[in-house]
Amino acid sequence: EAGVAQSPRYKIIEKRQSVAFWCNPISGHATLYWYQQILGQGPKLLIQFQNNGVVDDSQLPKDRFSAERLKGVDSTLKIQPAKLEDSAVYLCASSLLAGAEQFFGPGTRLTVL
Amino acid sequence: AQSVAQPEDQVNVAEGNPLTVKCTYSVSGNPYLFWYVQYPNRGLQFLLKYITGDNLVKGSYGFEAEFNKSQTSFHLKKPSALVSDSALYFCAVIDDYKLSFGAGTTVTVRA
Repeated sequence: EAGVAQSPRYKIIEKRQSVAFWCNPISGHATLYWYQQILGQGPKLLIQFQNNGVVDDSQLPKDRFSAERLKGVDSTLKIQPAKLEDSAVYLCASSLLAGAEQFFGPGTRLTVL
Repeated sequence: AQSVAQPEDQVNVAEGNPLTVKCTYSVSGNPYLFWYVQYPNRGLQFLLKYITGDNLVKGSYGFEAEFNKSQTSFHLKKPSALVSDSALYFCAVIDDYKLSFGAGTTVTVRA
């Protein structure tokens, strides 16, 4: 089966610019996650969707980050405006159900200059 | 408090020697524990998990992990390491319905 797809793989922007990431989960997976992985740290959950509803966004910086999963399949994560400290790898993952094994995409490496 | 800790930033072993990557957890109730591996420029790959049952869990690529409730540990092991096992390894636990990751351990296996 096809894995989790993410694009772009790399993105370089200047601070205060906007950026968007796209994720296509494994077909049939109801739960979708966005993680932020800063260099030298483990991934940190930003937001979790169950179908098209938000289950947990307690660690999402809502003043600048937003995410949606309108049709319960693909998802986009947006940062507006970006800060230097947003430089990280943004990982998307999906699972059949909440709490089940998560499958990760290759990630998008964001560099904010 | 951190839900999962990996006390070693780096582990270096010679090829053919046993490999152990340590992990301790701190959650209430029965833990759901996972190990993931991350190769350069790639996403995390699932290695194995412990939900319930036998304390020794076998996973992908010859890895296994031992759940020890009294020591609240879930150490990852491989009897004979390969150079290709060099990667970043993450221990994770389900905490408050979220997957919480450790900081990771970089494993280097020298030929």
